[in-house]
Amino acid sequence: SQQGEEDPQALSIQEGENATMNCSYKTSINNLQWYRQNSGRGLVHLILIRSNEREKHSGRLRVTLDTSKKSSSLLITASRAADTASYFCATIGSSNTGKLIFGQGTTLQVKP
Amino acid sequence: KAGVTQTPRYLIKTRGQQVTLSCSPISGHRSVSWYQQTPGQGLQFLFEYFSETQRNKGNFPGRFSGRQFSNSRSEMNVSTLELGDSALYLCASNLGTGYEQYFGPGTRLTVT
Repeated sequence: SQQGEEDPQALSIQEGENATMNCSYKTSINNLQWYRQNSGRGLVHLILIRSNEREKHSGRLRVTLDTSKKSSSLLITASRAADTASYFCATIGSSNTGKLIFGQGTTLQVKP
Repeated sequence: KAGVTQTPRYLIKTRGQQVTLSCSPISGHRSVSWYQQTPGQGLQFLFEYFSETQRNKGNFPGRFSGRQFSNSRSEMNVSTLELGDSALYLCASNLGTGYEQYFGPGTRLTVT
């Protein structure tokens, strides 16, 4: 079963705009990760944030984590057409095994 | 460093048959996990292997099984295929617990 929900389910923006995706989860976590998937292909790891971290940056990506609300957000700044993909959050539980629990994903379309 | 490889990439099988999928992890990675992705259920965890031992198992029937070899390569087997087993099967490897996972391109299985 999936851990939680992502919001919105679909997002369409113009190139250059920022895109924000939200993720909620249900149980306590060790870390939360974001992945990108292009059109039914393999997933690409974007960023990992640990439960004791509140914010993390990687290039044009900014991730926040609020463990009290069991939620995370992914911000992509200055989006490009190449960012068009599905984005998934996934959690590793506090037992810290290799089992990733995925959200439903957000489909992002960036129009040139 | 070569990425995670999965074979075959595409497979068409008939109901009742069985299938074996293969995954070669990144060199040095001892943990291999398998996931099933369908439009209806999203990404669901199947199982995780570490040093040839199954460390975690998802909520799938016993028709789904796997194993890991001493070189960390992994195989998953699905017996008595059903139409609902049609999916993208993704394999991922990582260095250990708490680390990001690296996904292969997936095997797209179609059951007719």
